Amino acid sequence: AQTVTQSQPEMSVQEAETVTLSCTYDTSENNYYLFWYKQPPSRQMILVIRQEAYKQQNATENRFSVNFQKAAKSFSLKISDSQLGDTAMYFCAFMTAAGNKLTFGGGTRVLVKP
Amino acid sequence: GAVVSQHPSRVICKSGTSVKIECRSLDFQATTMFWYRQFPKQSLMLMATSNEGSKATYEQGVEKDKFLINHASLTLSTLTVTSAHPEDSSFYICSARGGFRGTDTQYFGPGTRLTVL
Repeated sequence: AQTVTQSQPEMSVQEAETVTLSCTYDTSENNYYLFWYKQPPSRQMILVIRQEAYKQQNATENRFSVNFQKAAKSFSLKISDSQLGDTAMYFCAFMTAAGNKLTFGGGTRVLVKP
Repeated sequence: GAVVSQHPSRVICKSGTSVKIECRSLDFQATTMFWYRQFPKQSLMLMATSNEGSKATYEQGVEKDKFLINHASLTLSTLTVTSAHPEDSSFYICSARGGFRGTDTQYFGPGTRLTVL
């Protein structure tokens, strides 16, 4: 079974600065997908970024980028130029390429301060 | 693309009644939908996987007779909480697999807050 660990329960960052969220996972699979989802106070889960394990290039989406280290089973998310609207819970998630289900980490609460 | 709606967004019911929650993929077809439950300040807990035209697959510990799932079309799955009790009060979220990124990504509905009195 796969597990996903987010070791930082809460983080705060000043507006316009950068914050990095950590995520590690455990799997014996070689082909899989990794995701970061954002859940703001509205509780709507929003896909932030997606990474295929077979791709060495780190995924980026505007101010969001990941550092994917396959050998270390690490998938951190960097939020650059933080904005107040980035305040949310962030969940790291894993899915095998052949599978169906997402395995979520426990989440990291990010607070962007003005 | 990849919009998922959920209805109702909020429901309050009396103990012993049944409540139906709808999940729709608005701009894509979803052969697979998922139902999650989320307690305050916790992560999402998968309850069941809903496959169009077949029976749902429930996670261990989830009562299939209490949480009835129907996935009658490629854009609609429903979750019925039967004989609801206060301990069923929670935030229920659905997701649909598909969208413009293909079938390897789940897109989530806005959730339904259920309160059982």
